[in-house]
Amino acid sequence: QKEVEQNSGPLSVPEGAIASLNCTYSDRGSQSFFWYRQYSGKSPELIMSIYSNGDKEDGRFTAQLNKASQYVSLLIRDSQPSDSATYLCAVVGQAGTALIFGKGTTLSVSS
Amino acid sequence: DAGVTQSPTHLIKTRGQQVTLRCSPKSGHDTVSWYQQALGQGPQFIFQYYEEEERQRGNFPDRFSGHQFPNYSSELNVNALLLGDSALYLCASSGQQGTEAFFGQGTRLTVV
Repeated sequence: QKEVEQNSGPLSVPEGAIASLNCTYSDRGSQSFFWYRQYSGKSPELIMSIYSNGDKEDGRFTAQLNKASQYVSLLIRDSQPSDSATYLCAVVGQAGTALIFGKGTTLSVSS
Repeated sequence: DAGVTQSPTHLIKTRGQQVTLRCSPKSGHDTVSWYQQALGQGPQFIFQYYEEEERQRGNFPDRFSGHQFPNYSSELNVNALLLGDSALYLCASSGQQGTEAFFGQGTRLTVV
């Protein structure tokens, strides 16, 4: 069973701080990696995709991928209370096209 | 540009009944995937449709079936509903294999 692991949290950070969210995956052949944000009672919203080793930056968000360590992370700079949500890590494994999700990490940003 | 749309948004069914959920993909997308999300869990993959065929299936019983139409829209059917089928059902559409998938607003199914 291919797995994606995330710390469920909650992760609490003060407003303006950097939030660091981590994810590990078991399928070494995985090629596509995504971060989704999900507000309570809403559907997941895609915020970052990354396909190659290294960093990818988009505004306040930076995704980091290390395929050798099978590790993906998401950094949120200058965290805002509106960033408070559950962040889902998703991976597309080598064998298929389906997204395999972790259970999500709940982030709470206090003002 | 309309995103992924799902209907209905909420549904209450009785145990043993059957339900059909509908999804229209984002413009330009030809692949539709369905996920089940229980409270406090990540979405679980049910199946994926491409070119009107089921391309991949997750670990769900045959009570869960689907269909994709020529216009790429899709239906999810669940027969003989169980209390444990109560969940948020999510539809996601995507273009090429492995690329970004976008979700609809979901259908909240409650089985009583």
